[in-house]
Amino acid sequence: EDKVVQSPLSLVVHEGDTVTLNCSYEVTNFRSLLWYKQEKKAPTFLFMLTSSGIEKKSGRLSSILDKKELFSILNITATQTGDSAVYLCAGGTSYGKLTFGQGTILTVHP
Amino acid sequence: NAGVTQTPKFQVLKTGQSMTLQCAQDMNHEYMSWYRQDPGMGLRLIHYSVGAGITDQGEVPNGYNVSRSTTEDFPLRLLSAAPSQTSVYFCASSYSGTGNHNEQFFGPGTRLTVL
Repeated sequence: EDKVVQSPLSLVVHEGDTVTLNCSYEVTNFRSLLWYKQEKKAPTFLFMLTSSGIEKKSGRLSSILDKKELFSILNITATQTGDSAVYLCAGGTSYGKLTFGQGTILTVHP
Repeated sequence: NAGVTQTPKFQVLKTGQSMTLQCAQDMNHEYMSWYRQDPGMGLRLIHYSVGAGITDQGEVPNGYNVSRSTTEDFPLRLLSAAPSQTSVYFCASSYSGTGNHNEQFFGPGTRLTVL
């Protein structure tokens, strides 16, 4: 059975802090690792990683995948209150199926 | 493009009632899936489809049926609602079920309460 585990489950920081969210996976026929942000509605796509060791960046967010150790991290620098959300990672298979982790609840205080 | 649409947005059922949650996409996506989201559980896959006429079970399929007669539509049927099915349901779709793309686009969700 495919499995994705995220840590920590929740995190409280102050504006300006840097955070690192972790995601480990065991997915048969693994093809990609995806990160989503969810703010009390549908998840919105952040990153998809398919190659090991190549960092993807979007503004203050970045992510990297290690296919040998089966994990990924999502970094957020200079956090803002608007970054408060649930961050979900998911392992994708070669035929499209996604298995999600439990999510990390990030709270950023002013 | 409307993207992925779901109806209804909210629904209250009594135990034992049946209903269908509707999902449609206008992006010509082959892959469609249904998830439920409960507090602290992330998203759990109920059923998925890699193309019209093809469906398969996910992690939590019991109590739910699906069919995929067209590329655009993927309805989820609750056969006999139970309080354990109280949840938020998301439909999602992506470009290909055969490995070219995993980025899934989500509908706005249906909040279902079973009394």
